[in-house]
Amino acid sequence: AQKITQTQPGMFVQEKEAVTLDCTYDTSDPSYGLFWYKQPSSGEMIFLIYQGSYDQQNATEGRYSLNFQKARKSANLVISASQLGDSAMYFCAMREGWQTGANNLFFGTGTRLTVIP
Amino acid sequence: ETGVTQTPRHLVMGMTNKKSLKCEQHLGHNAMYWYKQSAKKPLELMFVYNFKEQTENNSVPSRFSPECPNSSHLFLHLHTLQPEDSALYLCASSRDYGGGELFFGEGSRLTVL
Repeated sequence: AQKITQTQPGMFVQEKEAVTLDCTYDTSDPSYGLFWYKQPSSGEMIFLIYQGSYDQQNATEGRYSLNFQKARKSANLVISASQLGDSAMYFCAMREGWQTGANNLFFGTGTRLTVIP
Repeated sequence: ETGVTQTPRHLVMGMTNKKSLKCEQHLGHNAMYWYKQSAKKPLELMFVYNFKEQTENNSVPSRFSPECPNSSHLFLHLHTLQPEDSALYLCASSRDYGGGELFFGEGSRLTVL
């Protein structure tokens, strides 16, 4: 079974609007970390935001926020006030055994976001 | 300048060639990684090095040979590759093995003819 599922191959959003990119995960480990990365056409994977499985509050970083719903095993990325520079591939990832130092990091297949002027 | 630098950015090689990809990180990290990114597939972890020692090899064919001479440099030696090995190869580093987020380079786009 896939550890990380991103069901939206492509998304479009109007500039200055908000957009939600979906991510669901599968793990039986109580300790895990969830990440979102952005990959522009240049190829570099840019770390955006992190959520730990024991964190009580949803993570936020500037215009990025993570809608963490533990019971549903979802970790959706919300981008507010979209900008043209947000057009890129977005990858959700999970590291199991976060606090035990294990190094199992799994990525989804990504969502291509296009911001329309 | 990015924290993780990869060269070359693009490489075209024949199946009988031998080439190498290079990665250098300027972040003082202790762990380095090679990932393979193919179209419409999740990133595949290939190798992990922690303090220059290889800690993971995810059943990668022997035609890919990693080398980590120190904590700042990582190489991927390529020989007798197949066309299906064409992909984006990403190098990453993290503060520690199993800790902290990964910092990636811009990747080396490999095409095998």
